[in-house]
Amino acid sequence: QQQVKQSPQSLIVQKGGISIINCAYENTAFDYFPWYQQFPGKGPALLIAIRPDVSEKKEGRFTISFNKSAKQFSLHIMDSQPGDSATYFCAASIAGNTPLVFGKGTRLSVIA
Amino acid sequence: NAGVTQTPKFQVLKTGQSMTLQCAQDMNHEYMSWYRQDPGMGLRLIHYSVGAGITDQGEVPNGYNVSRSTTEDFPLRLLSAAPSQTSVYFCASRTGKGNYGYTFGSGTRLTVV
Repeated sequence: QQQVKQSPQSLIVQKGGISIINCAYENTAFDYFPWYQQFPGKGPALLIAIRPDVSEKKEGRFTISFNKSAKQFSLHIMDSQPGDSATYFCAASIAGNTPLVFGKGTRLSVIA
Repeated sequence: NAGVTQTPKFQVLKTGQSMTLQCAQDMNHEYMSWYRQDPGMGLRLIHYSVGAGITDQGEVPNGYNVSRSTTEDFPLRLLSAAPSQTSVYFCASRTGKGNYGYTFGSGTRLTVV
């Protein structure tokens, strides 16, 4: 059973557009939801994270929206740039006690 | 402060050979994990540790062993390599206090022929 389902698998966005990646989770005990960004040949790097006590968190052009009742969270990249082209992973954990469970990833391509 | 260091970066093994992937962190992190990354499969947890002397299995532990004798090091051992273990392996660590974000190493690309 896949605990975190991520969509879409791939995404092509025009420069300046909004990129949206969605994740859904099953385990209601999860209480930490990060997003990771990975460039080819590199390890994943933490981009932004949210706890379920807030519905939205924004850092620069990156925003996480969180819907606890629907068990869904999403990453929005505003004003997408070619440098944002990478693979993005959502993840979840029970913050203090368990390792991260990852979605399968979304390959984002931002074209000029 | 080097972060999480993985060695080697690339390795080719023959079926049945054994080897150890090294992982070291210099951030005094309590939590360490090993993941494997395969196309279309995301990152799958192999083994993890919440402190020196404590390890546990993840989603895909078969064929792998770990130990955690020090806070800094968390080696991953392949006992008898199989082609199905061809993958990119990532080690990650985080502090056990408050900040739950993991820092990842740059990975080891392993090919088993």
